Amino acid sequence: EAQVTQNPRYLITVTGKKLTVTCSQNMNHEYMSWYRQDPGLGLRQIYYSMNVEVTDKGDVPEGYKVSRKEKRNFPLILESPSPNQTSLYFCASSLSRGGGRETQYFGPGTRLLVL
Amino acid sequence: QKEVEQDPGPLSVPEGAIVSLNCTYSNSAFQYFMWYRQYSRKGPELLMYTYSSGNKEDGRFTAQVDKSSKYISLFIRDSQPSDSATYLCAMSGPYGGATNKLIFGTGTLLAVQP
Repeated sequence: EAQVTQNPRYLITVTGKKLTVTCSQNMNHEYMSWYRQDPGLGLRQIYYSMNVEVTDKGDVPEGYKVSRKEKRNFPLILESPSPNQTSLYFCASSLSRGGGRETQYFGPGTRLLVL
Repeated sequence: QKEVEQDPGPLSVPEGAIVSLNCTYSNSAFQYFMWYRQYSRKGPELLMYTYSSGNKEDGRFTAQVDKSSKYISLFIRDSQPSDSATYLCAMSGPYGGATNKLIFGTGTLLAVQP
């Protein structure tokens, strides 16, 4: 089954404790991205990757890191989480750039609470 | 001003009603218009896609784009309780252009009452 998986689905942590949210897709997609979803603000792109070893900032990259060492995986790293990073996070992938007519496929989401 | 504006709702309708969901946008370079549906505790999934102006129909769903007014709509006929979800509009410019990133609206929460 074609899918995007994320782990963990729920996470409670404390300020400053490094964490990683994993994302994996099995569709051989080149383009992957991370979004956060907040009430009243909608989906905002954090980082994206056009292909292996190619990453770039989205609209709200501060406080986040990513890496793309393999085509299928795109982990999101919070090196020193803060309460304002409490949010619902989605990983997404598409065949190419993600604009135009490309369909983006979303993972199930990771709900993060930073105390 | 946000590039894409969408009424957050919530919108509550009785089963069988016709539902109208709308978005306005400011960037005239947008050419691709999409509606994503997001069920509670799930990721968004593509519902409908339209290129440029006009209508597109798929079963009970109709997407309309009016580029002259920078206004897009999604109509749901004979709404069902299973249609209860958040609906997000999304749009982008031409592939390879400066505006080819997908821009989302904030989403409208729809509840269809049985």
